[in-house]
Amino acid sequence: GENVEQHPSTLSVQEGDSAVIKCTYSDSASNYFPWYKQELGKGPQLIIDIRSNVGEKKDQRIAVTLNKTAKHFSLHITETQPEDSAVYFCAACEGGLSGAGSYQLTFGKGTKLSVIP
Amino acid sequence: SAVISQKPSRDICQRGTSLTIQCQVDSQVTMMFWYRQQPGQSLTLIATANQGSEATYESGFVIDKFPISRPNLTFSTLTVSNMSPEDSSIYLCSFGGTSGPFSYNEQFFGPGTRLTVL
Repeated sequence: GENVEQHPSTLSVQEGDSAVIKCTYSDSASNYFPWYKQELGKGPQLIIDIRSNVGEKKDQRIAVTLNKTAKHFSLHITETQPEDSAVYFCAACEGGLSGAGSYQLTFGKGTKLSVIP
Repeated sequence: SAVISQKPSRDICQRGTSLTIQCQVDSQVTMMFWYRQQPGQSLTLIATANQGSEATYESGFVIDKFPISRPNLTFSTLTVSNMSPEDSSIYLCSFGGTSGPFSYNEQFFGPGTRLTVL
């Protein structure tokens, strides 16, 4: 089955700096890679995702890159703000581009991001 | 986007009792899932709730301990049976699939149910 490794487990940055979280996956059949943000006392919130047919996707201050050959993908947050402080989870899924597949997400262990004002 | 809610939001239960958690989505969805998140840990899939048939359980989870119902395309319940302190966790439901306005594979999570077993 799929195995997702996520690093680092904790990350502290100064407000305004960039933060990068990296994940690797084991199953070459995985082709959908979402990132979730979980604030204290809340459920995970989907913030960005990438599919295997693209190498990079950006949404305002958040970007995700994917290297299928190396089986790793990364989350980049620029100009960090205190409200970015949360636990971030990466995940991988073997869902097909046509909608087929298991839909089962395998999650990394999470990264606790602290943005220091 | 659809709204997903869970009841109760939290509960404190005695050992040996059972708790049923409800999950409601305001749109019809193809797939619904139940996850467990132990304190400070990642999410572990318990089962996929299939409409009109038995749930599909992941390794380490059994129907007798975590019976699941999915009577229609907007609602599901998870029961945590014969609870012990080790069952203290956050229980999360999510939905996803190709139906309606949602892109394939995307999963959206409810707010979670925080369960403490004494």
